[in-house]
Amino acid sequence: NAGVMQNPRHLVRRRGQEARLRCSPMKGHSHVYWYRQLPEEGLKFMVYLQKENIIDESGMPKERFSAEFPKEGPSILRIQQVVRGDSAAYFCASSPGSQNYGYTFGSGTRLTVV
Amino acid sequence: DQQVKQNSPSLSVQEGRISILNCDYTNSMFDYFLWYKKYPAEGPTFLISISSIKDKNEDGRFTVFLNKSAKHLSLHIVPSQPGDSAVYFCAASAPGSARQLTFGSGTQLTVLP
Repeated sequence: NAGVMQNPRHLVRRRGQEARLRCSPMKGHSHVYWYRQLPEEGLKFMVYLQKENIIDESGMPKERFSAEFPKEGPSILRIQQVVRGDSAAYFCASSPGSQNYGYTFGSGTRLTVV
Repeated sequence: DQQVKQNSPSLSVQEGRISILNCDYTNSMFDYFLWYKKYPAEGPTFLISISSIKDKNEDGRFTVFLNKSAKHLSLHIVPSQPGDSAVYFCAASAPGSARQLTFGSGTQLTVLP
């Protein structure tokens, strides 16, 4: 049973381009969380999704960022018109239910905006 | 506003001795606390947790202590091993928050052989 799979591991984008980060949760997990870690900081919550539903997006920047978790396929975090400040490590985590606290993280996608 | 604080960015400990990592929080609504360990270029790995109804939880070499009145928790690792060298994050969760975690900024633990 593979863990939480994130790809790509590294992504380089020029300013103004779009970045798409993918996350496949663990088998049997229907809850996905996205976190962002800026350099020298802890992880910051972005969004919590269940299949086809956004449950809590209180941590998402108001513009340029969106997330989805379709019925089929991975969860996608999309960043439009990237800026240098978007450079960070983006981690996805999954759990089987909203009450499972120690959820499992993927290895992250390191986004570099040049 | 940092609701979870880890005031020591780094800690060095001799192999075999005790490592004590500290964490303070300000939000009295937090009712569940977790410690994660993170190696470079990897995601955080869940280590141990504690509910606010307890003051201690132990799992092998790892023990977490919670002092609710002081809004303080600590992670004890005994005995420390070189493989424990990593960044340790404290995290907290509040009820009704969709179980999103609020993380501290981490403490880099180095265990010297």
